[in-house]
Amino acid sequence: DTAVSQTPKYLVTQMGNDKSIKCEQNLGHDTMYWYKQDSKKFLKIMFSYNNKELIINETVPNRFSPKSPDKAHLNLHINSLELGDSAVYFCASSQGLAGFSIFFGPGTRLTVT
Amino acid sequence: AQSVAQPEDQVNVAEGNPLTVKCTYSVSGNPYLFWYVQYPNRGLQFLLKYITGDNLVKGSYGFEAEFNKSQTSFHLKKPSALVSDSALYFCAVRDDSNYQLIWGAGTKLIIKP
Repeated sequence: DTAVSQTPKYLVTQMGNDKSIKCEQNLGHDTMYWYKQDSKKFLKIMFSYNNKELIINETVPNRFSPKSPDKAHLNLHINSLELGDSAVYFCASSQGLAGFSIFFGPGTRLTVT
Repeated sequence: AQSVAQPEDQVNVAEGNPLTVKCTYSVSGNPYLFWYVQYPNRGLQFLLKYITGDNLVKGSYGFEAEFNKSQTSFHLKKPSALVSDSALYFCAVRDDSNYQLIWGAGTKLIIKP
């Protein structure tokens, strides 16, 4: 009965590869997010979707492309991976855009070699 | 610009002692303030929030936070620390321009037996 789930949990890949991270929430929330946490634990929002519509797109390289097939899913595809993309990526969800009580997934640790 | 600061990278407390994790903020309007906790290798979990009303907000796991408007602070507190409270704590403030959360850098809390 996991609220926000992500797959895979760990992802090790080489520079230049393309990879995807999947996210699903079973909370019935209408807003989903992707966050990036770097090695110093700084947390930065990347994208926010509300009812499958892109709301927030922070200064993220075009190599990152989110896709929301429905309100319960928000996947992240990354093209041409670079060393600097190594981080932990968190999917999250909330009800509404107000930013209250965000539920986070367990994270995907991406390592680019 | 709206911002949040956590002045301490790390806080060390002996088990059974009271703990305080500091947070200060800067917003243009009324602040919406949050505390989240991240246990090792886990996603963030919501602890508590201040929207309006009583300056002392109670949250999960026995934590509480005190909102002080004159000092623009929202410190997290607990009367008696447990070793299991050891984790990374994030303070956040809502950006009213887009309803997204602006995150502090995090404070590592270490509770020693």
